[in-house]
Amino acid sequence: AQSVTQPDIHITVSEGASLELRCNYSYGATPYLFWYVQSPGQGLQLLLKYFSGDTLVQGIKGFEAEFKRSQSSFNLRKHSVHWSDAAEYFCAVGALSSISGGYNKLIFGAGTRLAVHP
Amino acid sequence: GAGVSQTPSNKVTEKGKYVELRCDPISGHTALYWYRQSLGQGPEFLIYFQGTGAADDSGLPNDRFFAVRPEGSVSTLKIQRTERGDSAVYLCASSKRTGLVYDNEQFFGPGTRLTVL
Repeated sequence: AQSVTQPDIHITVSEGASLELRCNYSYGATPYLFWYVQSPGQGLQLLLKYFSGDTLVQGIKGFEAEFKRSQSSFNLRKHSVHWSDAAEYFCAVGALSSISGGYNKLIFGAGTRLAVHP
Repeated sequence: GAGVSQTPSNKVTEKGKYVELRCDPISGHTALYWYRQSLGQGPEFLIYFQGTGAADDSGLPNDRFFAVRPEGSVSTLKIQRTERGDSAVYLCASSKRTGLVYDNEQFFGPGTRLTVL
């Protein structure tokens, strides 16, 4: 069964520092991978996604992620964190629907809460 | 343009009561999804619709949960005989069509926080 693990529950970084949020997935075939951000009172917003091709994907707000098949990982990175990046970050994998066929639903990790010190 | 909206934003109810949660998807989106997010967890898939029909309801936890989308737009998630364990944030998402293909993003609403006392 597909699953996603985010090993870090909380991470604190200083503003301007670099950031890496870890994500490991369990899936047999080539996965469809996503990173979402959730700010208080806001809906989940898609940061970036990987379907195929170049393993380094660029997203919004200066985020990037690298797909590493050998490590079953899809870690999120940012070179210089801003105070406004404080939020909860979710990694997700596209899941095959055994009922309808096709990839139609997302399986999420438990999330990593990011705090940013000034 | 308007995003996905959900009403109410907060719902407090007593154990055993019936509740309805509403989702208004982005206009023109044919696919609609419900997820549930318990405290400290990521969203968990419940059900998705293609048009009016529930294409996959495998995530509904039991028969107390039911969802409809009678006209292929607005959807209502219905929970009968609520239990304290149903307390969570219920998220709705919509996309242009079904299928996790590159240009078919799921857009999420802000959620309804359900508290069962």
